[in-house]
Amino acid sequence: SYVLTQSPSVSVYPGKTANITCGGIDIGSKSVHWYQQKPGQAPLMVIYYDSGRPSGIPERFSGSNSGNTATLTINRVEAGDEADYHCQVWDTSTDHPIFGGGTKLTVL
Amino acid sequence: EVQLVESGGGLVQPGGSLRLSCAASGFPVTGNHLYWVRQTPGKGLEWVSLILAGGRTDYPASVKGRFTISRDTSENTLSLQMNNLRAEDSAVYYCARQGLGYNYGFDSWGQGALVTVSS
Repeated sequence: SYVLTQSPSVSVYPGKTANITCGGIDIGSKSVHWYQQKPGQAPLMVIYYDSGRPSGIPERFSGSNSGNTATLTINRVEAGDEADYHCQVWDTSTDHPIFGGGTKLTVL
Repeated sequence: EVQLVESGGGLVQPGGSLRLSCAASGFPVTGNHLYWVRQTPGKGLEWVSLILAGGRTDYPASVKGRFTISRDTSENTLSLQMNNLRAEDSAVYYCARQGLGYNYGFDSWGQGALVTVSS
């Protein structure tokens, strides 16, 4: 079955840029969705269809997807961005959702 | 406003049963594909059941034959009946709505219900 690989953790200083990656074979041919999950809370969609931003999500959040890597980029990182970030695609053969293992973003 | 509110979590012994409910508001439960997704501590997210807008259901092998998803259109609720529970079923369970659009993501989630399977 299709596997999504995320680094367990990423650290960044406030005001800097965080890049969180999601690897998968030919993931560029799939649509990737990203979710932010703060401690004790449910996931929240922050990027849909690779680079779309839901209403209410700051412009500092952006996404890209090409080849074997999708990337969530957070510009001008703030302390409130500290969270786990999960990527998700659909298995095209089964129409079942596939999630990455999640990346914990730490703001130093 | 779309909202999903879960209830029914708790502590249950191995082999026992538990029923989770998810009250939906702001949309009809027949209007979107709905899922139950669970998360164990330190692990990622895993889907455990789905019900399509048209009513078809499906489950991964890990829970097939033990879990049953259903919906009540009169109450506008989603349910998950979990039988023969195992320790490895311990997790936070979320109901989630797939947004409209081909292969769209999950645009609304419940707050989560903690299920602990232990003797």
